[in-house]
Amino acid sequence: KAGVTQTPRYLIKTRGQQVTLSCSPISGHRSVSWYQQTPGQGLQFLFEYFSETQRNKGNFPGRFSGRQFSNSRSEMNVSTLELGDSALYLCASSLGGARYEQYFGPGTRLTVT
Amino acid sequence: ILNVEQSPQSLHVQEGDSTNFTCSFPSSNFYALHWYRWETAKSPEALFVMTLNGDEKKKGRISATLNTKEGYSYLYIKGSQPEDSATYLCASLREKLTFGTGTRLTIIP
Repeated sequence: KAGVTQTPRYLIKTRGQQVTLSCSPISGHRSVSWYQQTPGQGLQFLFEYFSETQRNKGNFPGRFSGRQFSNSRSEMNVSTLELGDSALYLCASSLGGARYEQYFGPGTRLTVT
Repeated sequence: ILNVEQSPQSLHVQEGDSTNFTCSFPSSNFYALHWYRWETAKSPEALFVMTLNGDEKKKGRISATLNTKEGYSYLYIKGSQPEDSATYLCASLREKLTFGTGTRLTIIP
């Protein structure tokens, strides 16, 4: 069974631009969650989608948004990028949400200059 | 405890020795406790998900226990091997999954 895939793997953007990251979950998984990791911080929860609905949201500004499609693929968008948005963005899929094991993708490394 | 805390932050262990580390979490409104292993240049990999007070889980040389009343979980590694070198993350589920900052384990050959 194919694992979680994320594209792109690396990205360099300029302040003020916007970016879209993509996550394809394991086949059959309906839940996709997004996390941000910055140096010195643990994984910070961004949001969780289940069957195309946002089920939960972390404490991030409205510049961070996401969506999930009918095939469970998910995208995350960050508008008006700031230097502090430079981070590793991980997505994780699971069968039914956070009560289940999370299967993580390889991450997208975003650098904002 | 308001957040998920892990101790120690880092640990160096001689190959063959056993070790353990701690995850502390808020005990109110608890749903589940996760453990993950995160090796350098790889993705976090699930070890255990535990939900009930007194739960004990085992996978090979790694085991974990859970005390939901006092809000802590222990992860044990028996007979450490070089491939156990990784950062071990725990995460507590209340409204959302909240991760600790991890324990970085280095096994010295």
